[in-house]
Amino acid sequence: KAGVTQTPRYLIKTRGQQVTLSCSPISGHRSVSWYQQTPGQGLQFLFEYFSETQRNKGNFPGRFSGRQFSNSRSEMNVSTLELGDSALYLCASSSNRDPFNYGYTFGSGTRLTVV
Amino acid sequence: ILNVEQSPQSLHVQEGDSTNFTCSFPSSNFYALHWYRWETAKSPEALFVMTLNGDEKKKGRISATLNTKEGYSYLYIKGSQPEDSATYLCAPSGYSTLTFGKGTMLLVSP
Repeated sequence: KAGVTQTPRYLIKTRGQQVTLSCSPISGHRSVSWYQQTPGQGLQFLFEYFSETQRNKGNFPGRFSGRQFSNSRSEMNVSTLELGDSALYLCASSSNRDPFNYGYTFGSGTRLTVV
Repeated sequence: ILNVEQSPQSLHVQEGDSTNFTCSFPSSNFYALHWYRWETAKSPEALFVMTLNGDEKKKGRISATLNTKEGYSYLYIKGSQPEDSATYLCAPSGYSTLTFGKGTMLLVSP
């Protein structure tokens, strides 16, 4: 059974550019969440999608957006990149409608470096 | 936003030692408590999800307890092995959010 797949694994972008990260959840999982980890910080919640609808959103600026497709694959986009956006971005999927009660399976992450 | 505290921040033990970590969180609006293990260069791996006060779960040499009234959870590792070296994250959830602590980094030396 394939796990959660995130692409690309590594990315280097320049300030001001925009970037799109992709996440393919485990087959059958309909809930997809995105997290950001920066040095010294815990995993920070970005947003959660279920059946193509954003159900929850963390405390991030509007430059961070996402979407989910009918096959449950999800993308997140960051526009007008800033140096502080350099981080590991993790995607997590859940088979259950209520991932907060049943837990996630995480992908390996995309390491974004903004220069 | 929940204030989640994990202690200690890091821990270095010898193979065979038993150890435990603490996760503290606000007890109001509690929904569930998650524990994850995150090894370097790998994905976070779910260990336990607990919801009931007094709940205790076990997976091999690792066990966890939950006190929702006072807002804490303990994670125990019995007879630590080098392969237990990882960062252990706890994450209490409200109804619609999952807030991770910064983790306890465990290093087990042979």
